[in-house]
Amino acid sequence: DTGVSQDPRHKITKRGQNVTFRCDPISEHNRLYWYRQTLGQGPEFLTYFQNEAQLEKSRLLSDRFSAERPKGSFSTLEIQRTEQGDSAMYLCASSPTRGGEGHYEQYFGPGTRLTVT
Amino acid sequence: AQKITQTQPGMFVQEKEAVTLDCTYDTSDPSYGLFWYKQPSSGEMIFLIYQGSYDQQNATEGRYSLNFQKARKSANLVISASQLGDSAMYFCAMREARGDTGRRALTFGSGTRLQVQP
Repeated sequence: DTGVSQDPRHKITKRGQNVTFRCDPISEHNRLYWYRQTLGQGPEFLTYFQNEAQLEKSRLLSDRFSAERPKGSFSTLEIQRTEQGDSAMYLCASSPTRGGEGHYEQYFGPGTRLTVT
Repeated sequence: AQKITQTQPGMFVQEKEAVTLDCTYDTSDPSYGLFWYKQPSSGEMIFLIYQGSYDQQNATEGRYSLNFQKARKSANLVISASQLGDSAMYFCAMREARGDTGRRALTFGSGTRLQVQP
């Protein structure tokens, strides 16, 4: 399977615990995005990497959230001191760079569903 | 103002009929892209179709076509010959070249749940 993969698919944690999610993008894609989707809503942008550089962060990304992409390949999203409001689906997407300012589609992974109890 | 508005929370369609899912957008950026994604109950977002702001013709991909009316800022998705497997959430999204939400991030609408009836 050469699509975007995410691990784990489901995570249940107690409030106050730290969690980390992993995303493996499509291998030739150098752009990687994290989104959060709550029930009944569309995904909301969290952060964006081009290669290993984190170029954009949403205001939604509080200081309890941190994301890395150390070698420009896989990425991790960590949430510290989880709160019940963090319960959501966390989606990762990747897209290629073909040059220019083209509006290229993003390919999404299956998501990690986080439940904070 | 909402960047992407999908006014139909839910739609029903009979199998083999066509259905139109509405999407309006708001941007002052002259360069933007419009996308439609399908999200089945499994949760994965599946890319369906793309329309660029400078494209002269409406995009088509198999049974999917995008009715792009630039002056009205609408980008409706038309699904022809609906199939039972088309039952899912459908999201309209936009990427602005110089938006404030991450230079290449997508802004999504709230979605439309389509149910195809046999």
